[in-house]
Amino acid sequence: DGGITQSPKYLFRKEGQNVTLSCEQNLNHDAMYWYRQDPGQGLRLIYYSQIVNDFQKGDIAEGYSVSREKKESFPLTVTSAQKNPTAFYLCASSGGGKTGSRKPQHFGDGTRLSIL
Amino acid sequence: GIQVEQSPPDLILQEGANSTLRCNFSDSVNNLQWFHQNPWGQLINLFYIPSGTKQNGRLSATTVATERYSLLYISSSQTTDSGVYFCAVGSNDYKLSFGAGTTVTVRA
Repeated sequence: DGGITQSPKYLFRKEGQNVTLSCEQNLNHDAMYWYRQDPGQGLRLIYYSQIVNDFQKGDIAEGYSVSREKKESFPLTVTSAQKNPTAFYLCASSGGGKTGSRKPQHFGDGTRLSIL
Repeated sequence: GIQVEQSPPDLILQEGANSTLRCNFSDSVNNLQWFHQNPWGQLINLFYIPSGTKQNGRLSATTVATERYSLLYISSSQTTDSGVYFCAVGSNDYKLSFGAGTTVTVRA
């Protein structure tokens, strides 16, 4: 079945450590996204990528980095510069192209990151 | 970015009741989605509805783009309908802006 796989489901980070969250999709989608959700709030966009080897900052990119070397993969690194990384992280994908903004986004099951 | 307001913030229903959730947005959109987030955090696509009306079982949605609002209807609610319902909108870029959600609790 086609879908979006995020791993791990739970992740613990020590102070000063970088951690990388994985997101893989087999939907043949061009566009991929990373969102952050804090308790009791909606989702906020961290980074997005419309096509391989290209990505743009979202609303809360500080302290995060991404790469898009393959169409299927869009890993997110939470760096030590992110002062409050404890949150629920969700990856999404959608069709791209000229009408990509008019296509629905589909989400993975998320990764919960906590500080030890 | 586009501002999204959802109402009510919380809704408590008796099983079998009907309800309406509202989403207001501040600018014209070409993407509007409704999601249900279950207690495990999974975000389930309900509707992609930038305009018009759609129905899926006990759920239906209507978006009046010219008046900048969308409505989600839940009929004959069940306990499995509990969770948080999000509205998200986008315009000409790829970004989706999410509302703060409506928390629905359906009691048996």
